[in-house]
Amino acid sequence: KAGVTQTPRYLIKTRGQQVTLSCSPISGHRSVSWYQQTPGQGLQFLFEYFSETQRNKGNFPGRFSGRQFSNSRSEMNVSTLELGDSALYLCASSVIQRGGGYEQYFGPGTRLTVT
Amino acid sequence: LAKTTQPISMDSYEGQEVNITCSHNNIATNDYITWYQQFPSQGPRFIIQGYKTKVTNEVASLFIPADRKSSTLSLPRVSLSDTAVYYCLVGERDKIIFGKGTRLHILP
Repeated sequence: KAGVTQTPRYLIKTRGQQVTLSCSPISGHRSVSWYQQTPGQGLQFLFEYFSETQRNKGNFPGRFSGRQFSNSRSEMNVSTLELGDSALYLCASSVIQRGGGYEQYFGPGTRLTVT
Repeated sequence: LAKTTQPISMDSYEGQEVNITCSHNNIATNDYITWYQQFPSQGPRFIIQGYKTKVTNEVASLFIPADRKSSTLSLPRVSLSDTAVYYCLVGERDKIIFGKGTRLHILP
């Protein structure tokens, strides 16, 4: 089975621009979560989508948005980029385990640099 | 939401057993305990998950006492390639919070 894929892997944008990142989950996984990782704040949860609906949201400004398509692929968008948005953006798809727990599979991430 | 506390960093030597303890005093009844490993510039990788007592897989063991207020990840006979950040997570699937993690450094 192919793992979680994210495109692009690297991106350089300037302040004020907007960016769209894409994530393809593992086949059959319907839940997709997005995280931002920076050296100072660590891994922070952005939002989770399940069956095209946002199910949970972290504490990020409205400039961060996302969506999920009927094939479970997801995109996240950041508008009006700020220098502080420079980070590794990780996508994860998840599955419920037989025992009732869950497991998240992470993609390699998109490294966004805002100049 | 259950908050986790784990050591910021640990050093060990190749061939040793490493135990990383995580405290989660306000863990809820439905919460599972999950550990992830992350190498630089890569996404975290699932290691092990448990609810109570002991869980073992091919790479690690997870010990959870009866009160579930802490858990210990045990890595047997570590190697240099086990140098990474290890995260302890507690929560249900839609209430996941990553802490700062434990930076494990394996020395030759």
